[in-house]
Amino acid sequence: AQSVTQPDIHITVSEGASLELRCNYSYGATPYLFWYVQSPGQGLQLLLKYFSGDTLVQGIKGFEAEFKRSQSSFNLRKPSVHWSDAAEYFCAVALNSGYSTLTFGKGTMLLVSP
Amino acid sequence: DTGVSQDPRHKITKRGQNVTFRCDPISEHNRLYWYRQTLGQGPEFLTYFQNEAQLEKSRLLSDRFSAERPKGSFSTLEIQRTEQGDSAMYLCASSPLGLAGVKTQYFGPGTRLLVL
Repeated sequence: AQSVTQPDIHITVSEGASLELRCNYSYGATPYLFWYVQSPGQGLQLLLKYFSGDTLVQGIKGFEAEFKRSQSSFNLRKPSVHWSDAAEYFCAVALNSGYSTLTFGKGTMLLVSP
Repeated sequence: DTGVSQDPRHKITKRGQNVTFRCDPISEHNRLYWYRQTLGQGPEFLTYFQNEAQLEKSRLLSDRFSAERPKGSFSTLEIQRTEQGDSAMYLCASSPLGLAGVKTQYFGPGTRLLVL
């Protein structure tokens, strides 16, 4: 079965600094990859997705992610973090088979310091 | 607003009581998913509907859980004889069916359940 690993439970970044959140997946073929963000007590908002094509994908709120097949990774990046980016970030994968249910990582909590 | 909506947003109940949650998907979305998220974890898949048919159920969905989507629009998730371990955020998502392939799932705000 596929799995998703987000190695960092918490990350603290200074406002204005760059950000990279790590995501590794385990699956024999290329899955479909997503990053979602969740503010406290809220549902999940889609930041970006990778289905095929260009391995660098752009999302909302200035986020981007790069798919690296050789490393089975899909890391999320932002060049300059804003205080409003503080939230929990989830990486997820879906298979192009069955009913495309999502498998999520455990999440990374982003804290932004002034 | 054309997003996914869920009701109620919060529910506190006593152990042993039954609870029911409702999800209204984005109109014209054929697929509807339920997930459960416990504290410090990512969401975990519970069950999936394509139109009114329930096509997949996770092993997490014990016999006390039942979900319906009677007319292929809104869905309900009922938990009977609630236990403290049922305390979690219950998330609903919907996606279009399309011709083939994976489609993006759009999530509602969730229903947070606390079982005392």
